[in-house]
Amino acid sequence: NAGVTQTPKFQVLKTGQSMTLQCAQDMNHEYMSWYRQDPGMGLRLIHYSVGAGITDQGEVPNGYNVSRSTTEDFPLRLLSAAPSQTSVYFCASSYSRTGNYGYTFGSGTRLTVV
Amino acid sequence: EDQVTQSPEALRLQEGESSSLNCSYTVSGLRGLFWYRQDPGKGPEFLFTLYSAGEEKEKERLKATLTKKESFLHITAPKPEDSATYLCAVQPNDGGYQKVTFGTGTKLQVIP
Repeated sequence: NAGVTQTPKFQVLKTGQSMTLQCAQDMNHEYMSWYRQDPGMGLRLIHYSVGAGITDQGEVPNGYNVSRSTTEDFPLRLLSAAPSQTSVYFCASSYSRTGNYGYTFGSGTRLTVV
Repeated sequence: EDQVTQSPEALRLQEGESSSLNCSYTVSGLRGLFWYRQDPGKGPEFLFTLYSAGEEKEKERLKATLTKKESFLHITAPKPEDSATYLCAVQPNDGGYQKVTFGTGTKLQVIP
């Protein structure tokens, strides 16, 4: 089925470790984003991309890097994991710049940093 | 700064008991207001976009309405499968694709 695929679904890291969360979409969407979701807080934007080769920071970018070499893939890299990065991470994509059709979200990666 | 406040935080309904969820927002100029449904362990699923006061949209037992300060998600005769967290989000006129502010959601439980 067409959509946004995130891997892994679950991950436990030790403080200081690095890892990459994978995100791929097969809908030819230009716009992609990474969000984190924490209890009692709305989804917060980490990084986003408006097309291949173009990325920018969102609300909470510190400690994370992204790249967009293809339209399909938008990986999120944690450089040196900290307990504050324990969260559920969602990748989203959109056909429209104005979000007329909403975002399509992946099923999320639950990350625990110990 | 754009703000979205959803109430109540949690709502428990008997099957068939209609109710409404509220989304109050402040934004410099509204481009769109979005409703999403999120099931446990899943990502949000898009439901509706509303653009201007007075607009209404329906999907099965759900109807979303919009005023200049708030939006309501009306649930008519809910069923247990409507149990989920419902998220509201706003996008301002002067923002790009990325400038969407999400609320913290209303967790709905429908009891058989």
